[in-house]
Amino acid sequence: DTGVSQDPRHKITKRGQNVTFRCDPISEHNRLYWYRQTLGQGPEFLTYFQNEAQLEKSRLLSDRFSAERPKGSFSTLEIQRTEQGDSAMYLCASSPQLATYNEQFFGPGTRLTVL
Amino acid sequence: GQQLNQSPQSMFIQEGEDVSMNCTSSSIFNTWLWYKQDPGEGPVLLIALYKAGELTSNGRLTAQFGITRKDSFLNISASIPSDVGIYFCAGQVSDSWGKLQFGAGTQVVVTP
Repeated sequence: DTGVSQDPRHKITKRGQNVTFRCDPISEHNRLYWYRQTLGQGPEFLTYFQNEAQLEKSRLLSDRFSAERPKGSFSTLEIQRTEQGDSAMYLCASSPQLATYNEQFFGPGTRLTVL
Repeated sequence: GQQLNQSPQSMFIQEGEDVSMNCTSSSIFNTWLWYKQDPGEGPVLLIALYKAGELTSNGRLTAQFGITRKDSFLNISASIPSDVGIYFCAGQVSDSWGKLQFGAGTQVVVTP
């Protein structure tokens, strides 16, 4: 499978616990994005990496959220001290570095449920 | 929150009918993308548009980038049962390279 992969697909946790999600982009893509999607809404942008550099962060990304892409390949998204409002689908996408085009390809997502 | 106005919110159509949906924005976009999402899965890219006025087809799908750069539409011709799903428009503003802004989606239900 050469698409974007995410792990785990589902995560159930108790309020206050920390969780970490992983995203493996398409191998030749050097841009990686994280989005959050709640029920009945479209995805909302969280953050974006070009190689290992985190270039943009949304105001949605509170200080409990941290994302890394240490070697410019896979990325992790950590949520500390989870709250019930963090329950959502967390989507990762990747795109190739082309000056003009920004076609983003999404993974299957990680569904987080905070009890 | 959502900055794109996508309509209609849902559509119930019979197999074989054509489907049309659109998105409008108060911002000028330099890219419009259309995605389809099945339950429990990530969005799948259908069509990408990069120039104002551009009309692009992908099989039974046709999408256009509005002349004002503030709107786009997607048409599905001769719908089939597997067209069921939620369709999202997404736009990218020129001053934010990575960020896509998504509409709230159009849910399409196809009945035989």
